[in-house]
Amino acid sequence: EAQVTQNPRYLITVTGKKLTVTCSQNMNHEYMSWYRQDPGLGLRQIYYSMNVEVTDKGDVPEGYKVSRKEKRNFPLILESPSPNQTSLYFCASSWSRGAGTEAFFGQGTRLTVV
Amino acid sequence: SQQGEEDPQALSIQEGENATMNCSYKTSINNLQWYRQNSGRGLVHLILIRSNEREKHSGRLRVTLDTSKKSSSLLITASRAADTASYFCATDGNQFYFGTGTSLTVIP
Repeated sequence: EAQVTQNPRYLITVTGKKLTVTCSQNMNHEYMSWYRQDPGLGLRQIYYSMNVEVTDKGDVPEGYKVSRKEKRNFPLILESPSPNQTSLYFCASSWSRGAGTEAFFGQGTRLTVV
Repeated sequence: SQQGEEDPQALSIQEGENATMNCSYKTSINNLQWYRQNSGRGLVHLILIRSNEREKHSGRLRVTLDTSKKSSSLLITASRAADTASYFCATDGNQFYFGTGTSLTVIP
């Protein structure tokens, strides 16, 4: 079954404690991205990756890091989380960027930073 | 920004009625997609319409695209309680540009 798997689904952490949200896809997609979703702001792209070892900033990259060492995995790293990073996070993958191909989304990670 | 904007922000209808939601965008596109999001869950692709298409159907879904007005509409016919969700349009560019969504509630 084609899927994007994120872990964990829920996470409560304290300010400053480094955390990683994992994302894995089984469709051999080249393009992967991370979004955060906040009320009234819709989905905003944090980072994206066109292929292995190729990553770039989205619209709201501050405070986040990513890596793409393997095609299937695209972890999101918060080196020093702050309360304003409390949000619902989604990983997505597709054959290419842009709306010409369907994007597959993970189930989301609800992060609370206290 | 190329971000699409959905209208209305919220819509409440009775089961069996039709639901129409609209999307406006700012720049020229090649493709537009619609997604559904059940509460707190990931987005699920519904339908893609290309800029040279004016209308597309998929089951109870009908999507129209008017590139001259930079707008699209999603019609869900004979709505069901299970259609209760948020609906987003996504437009072209270097990335998917999503709007803030229309929250649809279908009352049984």
